[in-house]
Amino acid sequence: GQQVMQIPQYQHVQEGEDFTTYCNSSTTLSNIQWYKQRPGGHPVFLIQLVKSGEVKKQKRLTFQFGEAKKNSSLHITATQTTDVGTYFCAGRLSSGSARQLTFGSGTQLTVLP
Amino acid sequence: DSGVTQTPKHLITATGQRVTLRCSPRSGDLSVYWYQQSLDQGLQFLIQYYNGEERAKGNILERFSAQQFPDLHSELNLSSLELGDSALYFCASSLSGTGGSDTQYFGPGTRLTVL
Repeated sequence: GQQVMQIPQYQHVQEGEDFTTYCNSSTTLSNIQWYKQRPGGHPVFLIQLVKSGEVKKQKRLTFQFGEAKKNSSLHITATQTTDVGTYFCAGRLSSGSARQLTFGSGTQLTVLP
Repeated sequence: DSGVTQTPKHLITATGQRVTLRCSPRSGDLSVYWYQQSLDQGLQFLIQYYNGEERAKGNILERFSAQQFPDLHSELNLSSLELGDSALYFCASSLSGTGGSDTQYFGPGTRLTVL
């Protein structure tokens, strides 16, 4: 079945350092979404990428979708303590009948003040 | 606040028992999704309903079942509970039935503890 792998599983950074999480799929994706889950909270939608090579920015967050639409990354510049949480990517197959999103295992980010 | 409500917030029960988790989607959303999140685990997709009909099925055990009612709220029934069923159960909703391309709005979750 479709697998979406996400690395690293855990990341500790000092406040002000940059952070990147990577997402890789075994199959081509039609789109990829990113969610953030704060400790004790629920996943919250951040963004969706659809086009090959697409790059989107939200303030200090930069999201990329690979040219082959099999990988994606989320980069946070100059992390703040408010960035703490688990970041999930979620992709959907580009073909076949599967309509559901397949979530990666998430990257748990800790920001040390 | 996502607009998705889930009840109860916490549930503690014993092995072998049966429980029902309830979800009300955001106003106007027709799709409801159920996910299981175990400790330090990602989100495992269980099942999706769209406008009352089952639309997609994931890794849902035979002991688990779900339905979506005419008012679009959904219930997830878990029976013959085992210790390993202890987890956070999230419900999410989206506008349409396309699943992967819709934005999914997650509820606050129900934490199930099986003793």
